[in-house]
Amino acid sequence: AIQMTQSPSSLSASIGDRVTITCRASQGIKTDLAWYQQKPGKAPQLLIYDASHLQSGVPSRFSGRGSGTDFTLTISSLQPEDFATYFCLQDLDYPYTFGQGTKLEIK
Amino acid sequence: QVQLVESGGGVVQPGRSLRLSCVASGFTFSSFAMHWVRQAPGRGLEWVAITSFDGNKNYYADSLTGRVTISRDNSKNTLYLQMNSLRPEDTAVYYCARDRVPGGMGELSSVWGQGTQVAVSS
Repeated sequence: AIQMTQSPSSLSASIGDRVTITCRASQGIKTDLAWYQQKPGKAPQLLIYDASHLQSGVPSRFSGRGSGTDFTLTISSLQPEDFATYFCLQDLDYPYTFGQGTKLEIK
Repeated sequence: QVQLVESGGGVVQPGRSLRLSCVASGFTFSSFAMHWVRQAPGRGLEWVAITSFDGNKNYYADSLTGRVTISRDNSKNTLYLQMNSLRPEDTAVYYCARDRVPGGMGELSSVWGQGTQVAVSS
């Protein structure tokens, strides 16, 4: 199975900060990567698909880049509602695999 | 509105079986591949299985192959997950989720249920 290594596992930041989360695949996955946001007690919400495509309704401060093995999710200016846990997901090959998550906390 | 509602979770003894259900509404269920994803307490997300729009193609997580079966009844707009030989490590919230585009197979969308809790304990 393709392994997804996400970093950092946790991150403290302030409102207005620019933050970047990275995900590395154990083998090339082209651009078959998605990013999800999850808040406590809620189901995950899709932010980015195909590595860089913004899901409808998601604020433009979220962006994704990358291809092959290295990917990033960037939030350009943190808002209070962005403090949550973020996961990457490779959907190139079965079994699909998630990164272990990045918990974004308020500094 | 587009909605997925899971049911069937509960407390079950190790070695027993459980069948989860997910009822869809607000979209053409028979056009979309469907997934199960689980999340153990305080842990990350684990993809469990996918079934194609017509139920003819199914794929599973390596850790669950042979113990779970995904299926669907398009006439009832319902997705199922049959879980056998349950283990304590299967304790998790189980979510059903829809594929992003009709006719495709593989891109999870933002359409998820609220989850159903499964606890495996003696």
